[in-house]
Amino acid sequence: GENVEQHPSTLSVQEGDSAVIKCTYSDSASNYFPWYKQELGKGPQLIIDIRSNVGEKKDQRIAVTLNKTAKHFSLHITETQPEDSAVYFCAAILNFGNEKLTFGTGTRLTIIP
Amino acid sequence: GAVVSQHPSRVICKSGTSVKIECRSLDFQATTMFWYRQFPKQSLMLMATSNEGSKATYEQGVEKDKFLINHASLTLSTLTVTSAHPEDSSFYICSARRASGGQDTQYFGPGTRLTVL
Repeated sequence: GENVEQHPSTLSVQEGDSAVIKCTYSDSASNYFPWYKQELGKGPQLIIDIRSNVGEKKDQRIAVTLNKTAKHFSLHITETQPEDSAVYFCAAILNFGNEKLTFGTGTRLTIIP
Repeated sequence: GAVVSQHPSRVICKSGTSVKIECRSLDFQATTMFWYRQFPKQSLMLMATSNEGSKATYEQGVEKDKFLINHASLTLSTLTVTSAHPEDSSFYICSARRASGGQDTQYFGPGTRLTVL
């Protein structure tokens, strides 16, 4: 089955700087890669996703890149703000159907004011 | 983004009682819903997958008689923790999958904090 590794587990960034979180996956057939942000005491919120037919996707300060050859994808947050502090989870899945999301172990991002 | 609601957000109960948690997709129909459990500082652990109109599929190690799941309609799934015990205390999160011509997306509810005394 799919295995997703996520690094780093914790990340502290000065406000205004950029943050990058990386994930690798094992199943080359996986074709959908969402990123979720989870604030303390809340459920995960989908912030951006990418499908295997594109290499990069951007939404304001957030971007995701996908390298299918190397089987890794990354989340990039620019101009970080205190409200970006949260735990971020990457996930991978083959299409959908009867498949289930496989999550990374999460990255705790702390933005230092 | 799509909205998934969960109720209650927090529940405290005595050992031996049963607790029901509702999960609703508010602006889309979800043929598939999921129930996760999350321990502090850990990732999400899938408990079961429920499809509307059929029995839920439980992950290995999850007791189906302990965690009853009913996917009553395309917008509602319920999780009932039967005869709850302190070890069942956890953060339970539901998720709903929105189908879109092969480009499905999965959204999560806000979670339910269960504390069993």
